Amino acid sequence: EAEVAQSPRYKITEKSQAVAFWCDPISGHATLYWYRQILGQGPELLVQFQDESVVDDSQLPKDRFSAERLKGVDSTLKIQPAELGDSAMYLCASSFNSLQGFNTGELFFGEGSRLTVL
Amino acid sequence: GNSVTQMEGPVTLSEEAFLTINCTYTATGYPSLFWYVQYPGEGLQLLLKATKADDKGSNKGFEATYRKETTSFHLEKGSVQVSDSAVYFCALNQAGTALIFGKGTTLSVSS
Repeated sequence: EAEVAQSPRYKITEKSQAVAFWCDPISGHATLYWYRQILGQGPELLVQFQDESVVDDSQLPKDRFSAERLKGVDSTLKIQPAELGDSAMYLCASSFNSLQGFNTGELFFGEGSRLTVL
Repeated sequence: GNSVTQMEGPVTLSEEAFLTINCTYTATGYPSLFWYVQYPGEGLQLLLKATKADDKGSNKGFEATYRKETTSFHLEKGSVQVSDSAVYFCALNQAGTALIFGKGTTLSVSS
């Protein structure tokens, strides 16, 4: 069964360091999402891609976070510099679009990358 | 803006008990509604969905009905099992937008 691949699964870093997360969506899924899930909370959208284009990055802290999906397939989320408050699970998800081109809302999630900032 | 509110947990039940997890939403227009589940050590996965008013989504013995008049999408199961222990998230979206999730409700079922 096709899955969304994420790496690394766990990352421990010191504040002010740079970190990067990678995501490979299910083949053929045009839409890719990065969510952040703080312990005890629901996932919150950071950025949404349609192919290689950013559709929504309104909640991405652009002073320290960046995301790219250069060829419209896999994606990288970077944080530089990391802060203590960035400790969270970073989730990648992908979805296919309906025949009308709409996001169906059926997201397929990876297992996540857990970041701990010391 | 759009939002989802779900009951806070944890919810602790004995096996074969009846489960209800409440979810209400605020949205303009007519969103689609979802329940996602996160089992221990696993990624989020879709449990069920409903795309229009009065639709009932169902899967694995779980059900939820899209109630426009009460802006609700409560999750129910008649007889829970230990294997149902997980975190349950209510979510909504509208065409073209990303999912908006509630805070999650932890369910713990004991034998």
